[in-house]
Amino acid sequence: GDSVTQMEGPVTLSEEAFLTINCTYTATGYPSLFWYVQYPGEGLQLLLKATKADDKGSNKGFEATYRKETTSFHLEKGSVQVSDSAVYFCALKTGANNLFFGTGTRLTVIP
Amino acid sequence: EAGVAQSPRYKIIEKRQSVAFWCNPISGHATLYWYQQILGQGPKLLIQFQNNGVVDDSQLPKDRFSAERLKGVDSTLKIQPAKLEDSAVYLCASSLSGTSGRANSYNEQFFGPGTRLTVL
Repeated sequence: GDSVTQMEGPVTLSEEAFLTINCTYTATGYPSLFWYVQYPGEGLQLLLKATKADDKGSNKGFEATYRKETTSFHLEKGSVQVSDSAVYFCALKTGANNLFFGTGTRLTVIP
Repeated sequence: EAGVAQSPRYKIIEKRQSVAFWCNPISGHATLYWYQQILGQGPKLLIQFQNNGVVDDSQLPKDRFSAERLKGVDSTLKIQPAKLEDSAVYLCASSLSGTSGRANSYNEQFFGPGTRLTVL
């Protein structure tokens, strides 16, 4: 069945460090891929998405590229800020509008 | 624009008791979702409504969980009787519609803040 495997956390980085959170997927067909973010005390928010192979999603300095050959959708940011501290979820969607989520990775950025 | 509203934000009950959660989606959103998020796991879809009809409830434990969306707007999720393993955050989400019929299309789901349930 469809599934998402996400990098184990938590991740702690200093401000301005480079961030990578790994995500790989298993799916039948051609899924759309997403990163959702959950800031403390808030609901899940869509961070970025990619709907086909080689697409790059980007938002707020974050990027992720849909790699069909490696079934991956790793999240990257060149310089993290304290305000990026949150839990990040990788997710996929196949036919219907339903999402399959990974387990989440908690990021803490220290000044 | 108001977001997805949920209440209560927190609930503590003893096992075998009943509990209900309420969700009010974004105005005009036809599709409503309930997810269960157990600590350390990602959200898992329990049920999806399109207006007041059920689209997918394949992951809903129907012996104890029920959900309704009678007027196609707000929704309630009920657990009766609760078990210890039901302790989780229950998330409600809504989107303009469900499937659009086009491959690789996506109607963004907007999530509420969730209800944290603790079963003792």
